[in-house]
Amino acid sequence: DARVTQTPRHKVTEMGQEVTMRCQPILGHNTVFWYRQTMMQGLELLAYFRNRAPLDDSGMPKDRFSAEMPDATLATLKIQPSEPRDSAVYFCASGLETGYQPQHFGDGTRLSIL
Amino acid sequence: GQQLNQSPQSMFIQEGEDVSMNCTSSSIFNTWLWYKQDPGEGPVLLIALYKAGELTSNGRLTAQFGITRKDSFLNISASIPSDVGIYFCAGHTRGSNYKLTFGKGTLLTVNP
Repeated sequence: DARVTQTPRHKVTEMGQEVTMRCQPILGHNTVFWYRQTMMQGLELLAYFRNRAPLDDSGMPKDRFSAEMPDATLATLKIQPSEPRDSAVYFCASGLETGYQPQHFGDGTRLSIL
Repeated sequence: GQQLNQSPQSMFIQEGEDVSMNCTSSSIFNTWLWYKQDPGEGPVLLIALYKAGELTSNGRLTAQFGITRKDSFLNISASIPSDVGIYFCAGHTRGSNYKLTFGKGTLLTVNP
């Protein structure tokens, strides 16, 4: 089965460092979503793209987070500078916009900021 | 924004028992989706529902799209240890622009 691929799977770094998380959506999918999962907040939508264009990033702290899709096979989420409160699991999901097709998730990047 | 109320928050059952969990909302949903998340992995789609009243099965799992379009349930029959995990409901509301609203999840523990 086709899957969303996320790298790295784990990242531990010190506060203040830049963090870049990458996502390869399922081939042919034209919507890409970034989520953050914590015990307290559950799954939070950070940003999403359709046909590589950002549609909504209202869930993202603008001062330190940025999301891009350099091409159809790569989405990136960057945090600069990172803070301990950014520690969470970050998921990427992709889907097809037609007919409210379900989103399919990657296995996430587990981020720890010390 | 839209909220999904998922219950129960957690369940502890014996292997072989049937399980039922549900999600309700004050908003009308165009789709209902049920995902399962195993530790250290991402949510995996179990069942997708697209029409009010739709009843869909996937092996021992059955889910229904409520007639009012404001609720959905998931049943698991004859539970087995590998059913352990967190189950999430999710859905698209009208005008959501393809964003999913998620429930908080139901943590299922199955005692062998």
